[in-house]
Amino acid sequence: AQSVSQHNHHVILSEAASLELGCNYSYGGTVNLFWYVQYPGQHLQLLLKYFSGDPLVKGIKGFEAEFIKSKFSFNLRKPSVQWSDTAEYFCAVNARAGAAGNKLTFGGGTRVLVKP
Amino acid sequence: NAGVTQTPKFQVLKTGQSMTLQCAQDMNHEYMSWYRQDPGMGLRLIHYSVGAGITDQGEVPNGYNVSRSTTEDFPLRLLSAAPSQTSVYFCASSYSTSGNSDTQYFGPGTRLTVL
Repeated sequence: AQSVSQHNHHVILSEAASLELGCNYSYGGTVNLFWYVQYPGQHLQLLLKYFSGDPLVKGIKGFEAEFIKSKFSFNLRKPSVQWSDTAEYFCAVNARAGAAGNKLTFGGGTRVLVKP
Repeated sequence: NAGVTQTPKFQVLKTGQSMTLQCAQDMNHEYMSWYRQDPGMGLRLIHYSVGAGITDQGEVPNGYNVSRSTTEDFPLRLLSAAPSQTSVYFCASSYSTSGNSDTQYFGPGTRLTVL
């Protein structure tokens, strides 16, 4: 079975600071990797995803993530955060092939608070 | 397109009551699913469907039933509500029915409290 762990439950930082959120997964096969964001009072939105090719993936709103296969990691980064980046961030994976359904396994989430 | 819609947005139930959470999508997606979100646990898959008439269990199916009579609708039924089912419920859909990089689109959620 797949599992996903996010190392930080809460992160507080000031505007213009850099952000890095850790994500590690456990799975014996090939996976697709996702980062979703949930802004206060809103539903989940896709930030970025990786399925093949360049392990450095760029997403919306200046976010990027790097897939390091040897470390089973998919860390999210943003060089300079804004107050509007206050949200909860979720890492998720699904099995690349062979599994029925498009089932996502989520990490526990990281709440990010950006102070103005 | 309205995307994925869910009703109601909020619901309070008493222990033992039953109810149905509604989910609909207008994107002609084959795959639909229900997740529950609990603090510190992320989202956990309850049930999913790969097309009309086909459903299967996810990680936490106990106490919930689903059916898929049309491509558009995927209701979630709580048979006899328990306080442990207090949670936020999200419906999601995607075009693909098998694991790939296809984006899943989420609804706005239903916040359920069971007293």
